[in-house]
Amino acid sequence: DAKTTQPTSMDCAEGRAANLPCNHSTISGNEYVYWYRQIHSQGPQYIIHGLKNNETNEMASLIITEDRKSSTLILPHATLRDTAVYYCIVRVGGDDKIIFGKGTRLHILP
Amino acid sequence: NAGVTQTPKFRVLKTGQSMTLLCAQDMNHEYMYWYRQDPGMGLRLIHYSVGEGTTAKGEVPDGYNVSRLKKQNFLLGLESAAPSQTSVYFCASSRDPRDGELFFGEGSRLTVL
Repeated sequence: DAKTTQPTSMDCAEGRAANLPCNHSTISGNEYVYWYRQIHSQGPQYIIHGLKNNETNEMASLIITEDRKSSTLILPHATLRDTAVYYCIVRVGGDDKIIFGKGTRLHILP
Repeated sequence: NAGVTQTPKFRVLKTGQSMTLLCAQDMNHEYMYWYRQDPGMGLRLIHYSVGEGTTAKGEVPDGYNVSRLKKQNFLLGLESAAPSQTSVYFCASSRDPRDGELFFGEGSRLTVL
């Protein structure tokens, strides 16, 4: 089973920041948090990952709590093209498996 | 640069038939993965490989076999297809999973009648 918990779905108004939460309360000290998204039926696309510090790239920002038990992916100015399923992933036990959960279906509302 | 290429993209099988899905990557990645995705569901890991000549089981390996004879190719086989194997199959590759970035193919839609 995935080691993360995400809401099933969320809505966000176009132009506003979309904040997607993820709980990973059993995360180990050396496990990274990864975020992917899947638009319609395409293959998932990597967004960002982090360990302890907050991270930002051209797509999004990742905020990880100090205790590392949860994180938030922020899309600063959501557009209709950001409508997708977003997956938060923690690697299982430090091995090479990458397990996806069910993700959050994000609807961007015009 | 093609990235990750899956063939075929669509296939219809009858129950009991066999087939092989091919995943090819041109990025010299060590790690390769096969996932399946059923309607409205997330991706489930079938098998994966950490290098040429290696394979390992994922979450749902039953009914599937894999081979990684060449570094660039990862084959997924169905020896006796069942309707429960109707799904979209995604292949992915990674230089190192700790880097975080998996590169996915476009998917192969398989229907078993």
